[in-house]
Amino acid sequence: EAQVTQNPRYLITVTGKKLTVTCSQNMNHEYMSWYRQDPGLGLRQIYYSMNVEVTDKGDVPEGYKVSRKEKRNFPLILESPSPNQTSLYFCASSLSNPTYEQYFGPGTRLTVT
Amino acid sequence: DQQVKQNSPSLSVQEGRISILNCDYTNSMFDYFLWYKKYPAEGPTFLISISSIKDKNEDGRFTVFLNKSAKHLSLHIVPSQPGDSAVYFCAASAIASNDYKLSFGAGTTVTVRA
Repeated sequence: EAQVTQNPRYLITVTGKKLTVTCSQNMNHEYMSWYRQDPGLGLRQIYYSMNVEVTDKGDVPEGYKVSRKEKRNFPLILESPSPNQTSLYFCASSLSNPTYEQYFGPGTRLTVT
Repeated sequence: DQQVKQNSPSLSVQEGRISILNCDYTNSMFDYFLWYKKYPAEGPTFLISISSIKDKNEDGRFTVFLNKSAKHLSLHIVPSQPGDSAVYFCAASAIASNDYKLSFGAGTTVTVRA
């Protein structure tokens, strides 16, 4: 089954404790992206990747890091989480660029206290 | 400052009637537009898209209209069905400028009444 998986689905952590949210797709897609969803702000893109070893900033990259060492995986790293990073995070992938249909993961609910 | 704006946070429509969702954008470089639909506790799913070389695209009950001079697009759902109750996001990209970011609006929550 074609899908995008994210782990963990729920995470409660404390300020400053480094964490990684994993994302994996099994569709051989080149384009992968991370978004956060916040009330009243909709979805905002954090980082995207056009292919292996190619990553670029979205609209809200501050406080986040990503890597794309393999085509299927695109982890999101929060080196020193802060309460303003409490949000619902989605990973997505598409064939080659965002004009193609993006397939979204189920989301990761992150709470930073 | 958000470059894609959905100024109506919510819309209530009777089953069988038309739903019209609006989206405005400020970046004149945007040349590709998409609509995504989201149910609670799920990731968004793609609905329909349109390139700036067109002014209309239709897929079944869903039609997207693009007015480039007004920097405005709209999504029409006809007829509306209870399963259409969801949050709808408008998104835009500036592909011809080699800008592969995707900017989303804040979303419009549609409720279809029986």
